[in-house]
Amino acid sequence: GQNIDQPTEMTATEGAIVQINCTYQTSGFNGLFWYQQHAGEAPTFLSYNVLDGLEEKGRFSSFLSRSKGYSYLLLKELQMKDSASYLCAVSYQTGANNLFFGTGTRLTVIP
Amino acid sequence: NAGVMQNPRHLVRRRGQEARLRCSPMKGHSHVYWYRQLPEEGLKFMVYLQKENIIDESGMPKERFSAEFPKEGPSILRIQQVVRGDSAAYFCASSPVGGSTYEQYFGPGTRLTVT
Repeated sequence: GQNIDQPTEMTATEGAIVQINCTYQTSGFNGLFWYQQHAGEAPTFLSYNVLDGLEEKGRFSSFLSRSKGYSYLLLKELQMKDSASYLCAVSYQTGANNLFFGTGTRLTVIP
Repeated sequence: NAGVMQNPRHLVRRRGQEARLRCSPMKGHSHVYWYRQLPEEGLKFMVYLQKENIIDESGMPKERFSAEFPKEGPSILRIQQVVRGDSAAYFCASSPVGGSTYEQYFGPGTRLTVT
């Protein structure tokens, strides 16, 4: 498989910063997406990385290291509404048109 | 601009019945993907379609499952003779351009329960 690994659960405090890591198989890598999914709802797009470095978008940032097969999603100034699952998804240069998803990290923000 | 629409949102079927799940992509999108999410598991790709064509069905079970995206109307995921193991959330996504480097927009999902 593509061995996309991310922690199952994380807990963080409102107002704090949390980093959610994702590792993946590097062979044939073609891009990495982060999605947010609230319970019972559709995944919504957060970020896309294909080159090394940090992409910042408001309170959310995503980092990629292609050589290490590693990405993280950084959430700043956490709010209660950020409690959700965060899905790491990777595309590969296999000619396939699908994304390979990790199992998701369930983040709980506590007061 | 309406998002990806899926219906029904919830579907209950008895073992052996057929389930039909519908997906209308976002306006202007002609690429549709179906994913299945089992409880406590990640989204798993099933099939990728363009209008009237199945492009990649490498994630579809070989039996009982089929998908179509006709020239007119929504994409349909059909599951024949459902079994308890088919209980899952089925998500449809669409994109304006094909290929997995483009953002996919997801629908709200259909939660299938097989009793």
